[in-house]
Amino acid sequence: DQQVKQNSPSLSVQEGRISILNCDYTNSMFDYFLWYKKYPAEGPTFLISISSIKDKNEDGRFTVFLNKSAKHLSLHIVPSQPGDSAVYFCAASAASGGSYIPTFGRGTSLIVHP
Amino acid sequence: DADVTQTPRNRITKTGKRIMLECSQTKGHDRMYWYRQDPGLGLRLIYYSFDVKDINKGEISDGYSVSRQAQAKFSLSLESAIPNQTALYFCATSDLQGRDEQFFGPGTRLTVL
Repeated sequence: DQQVKQNSPSLSVQEGRISILNCDYTNSMFDYFLWYKKYPAEGPTFLISISSIKDKNEDGRFTVFLNKSAKHLSLHIVPSQPGDSAVYFCAASAASGGSYIPTFGRGTSLIVHP
Repeated sequence: DADVTQTPRNRITKTGKRIMLECSQTKGHDRMYWYRQDPGLGLRLIYYSFDVKDINKGEISDGYSVSRQAQAKFSLSLESAIPNQTALYFCATSDLQGRDEQFFGPGTRLTVL
């Protein structure tokens, strides 16, 4: 059973508009969340993270929102640019014996049209 | 130079063959991981290692084995490759805490015929 779900396999947005990528989780022990971005023929790269003690973290055009009661997080990209076209993975981790092994969602492919 | 390198980048092999994928890192991280990516399935953890003497199975370890030859090197072996092991394989590293970001290699595309 998936513990981290990205229910939208793909998203198409026009350049300059907002992109909103969603992620839901089921494990209430998750307390740290990350977003990764992946271009074709490259490995994923870290984008932004948020701890469960916060409900928002912002880095430039990227903002992650966390709603713990709903077990939901979202990544907002404003404004969207064609270079943002990539697959975005949501990941969540929990302390387990002092380690944090992330669980990844299946990814959302974002296409930003010029 | 890349911090996390993987060799080979592409490999085509036949069913039943033994194959090894190699990963090297210059980040000085203790933790290393092997993932596979299949279309629509995201990244799934195969094995992870917290140091040279610590190897742990991940979500999908059956059919795979690993070796941590040094802090900087972590290899993944398929003892007898089968077609459903056709996938994109990624090595990753993270620091001792493991809480923060992982650094991924460029991936190895493996095709088993």
